[in-house]
Amino acid sequence: AQSVAQPEDQVNVAEGNPLTVKCTYSVSGNPYLFWYVQYPNRGLQFLLKYITGDNLVKGSYGFEAEFNKSQTSFHLKKPSALVSDSALYFCAVRDGSGGYNKLIFGAGTRLAVHP
Amino acid sequence: EAQVTQNPRYLITVTGKKLTVTCSQNMNHEYMSWYRQDPGLGLRQIYYSMNVEVTDKGDVPEGYKVSRKEKRNFPLILESPSPNQTSLYFCASSSPTGSYNEQFFGPGTRLTVL
Repeated sequence: AQSVAQPEDQVNVAEGNPLTVKCTYSVSGNPYLFWYVQYPNRGLQFLLKYITGDNLVKGSYGFEAEFNKSQTSFHLKKPSALVSDSALYFCAVRDGSGGYNKLIFGAGTRLAVHP
Repeated sequence: EAQVTQNPRYLITVTGKKLTVTCSQNMNHEYMSWYRQDPGLGLRQIYYSMNVEVTDKGDVPEGYKVSRKEKRNFPLILESPSPNQTSLYFCASSSPTGSYNEQFFGPGTRLTVL
């Protein structure tokens, strides 16, 4: 069965420092991986996805993610954190079984960027 | 503006009183889905629909019903709500079914069942 793990409940970063939010996955077959962000009182917003090709994926708001097949990881990164990046981040893997577009989500990681 | 809308955004109700949460999308998406979000558990799929009149159970369907009579609407029905259904609910849509396109999420409905 497909699964996603986000090992950190919370990540604390100082503004201007690089940030990493970790995600590992377990899938049968090719992984299709996504990152979403949830701001307070808002729905989830798509950040980026990995389907195939280049292992470094660039997304919205200056975020990028590195796909590592040998480590089964898809960590979210940003070179310089902003206070406005503080939010809840979800990693997800597409479950294509049955031909539908179901997402399996991790538990989420709360990112706190301090001034 | 392309969007998924949900109503109501907040709802407090009592055990056993039937309720419906509406979801509508204006992007002509075939695929729609309902998730519930609980702390420490992420989002879990309740029901999904691949197109009009085609629905199926997700991972946590007990206590919920859905219908898909029109392409744009996908209401979530709780016939007899219980306190363990207190949660944050999200509707999502994407197109086409079977693709790798990202899903678009509604703003969420926070439900409290007393």
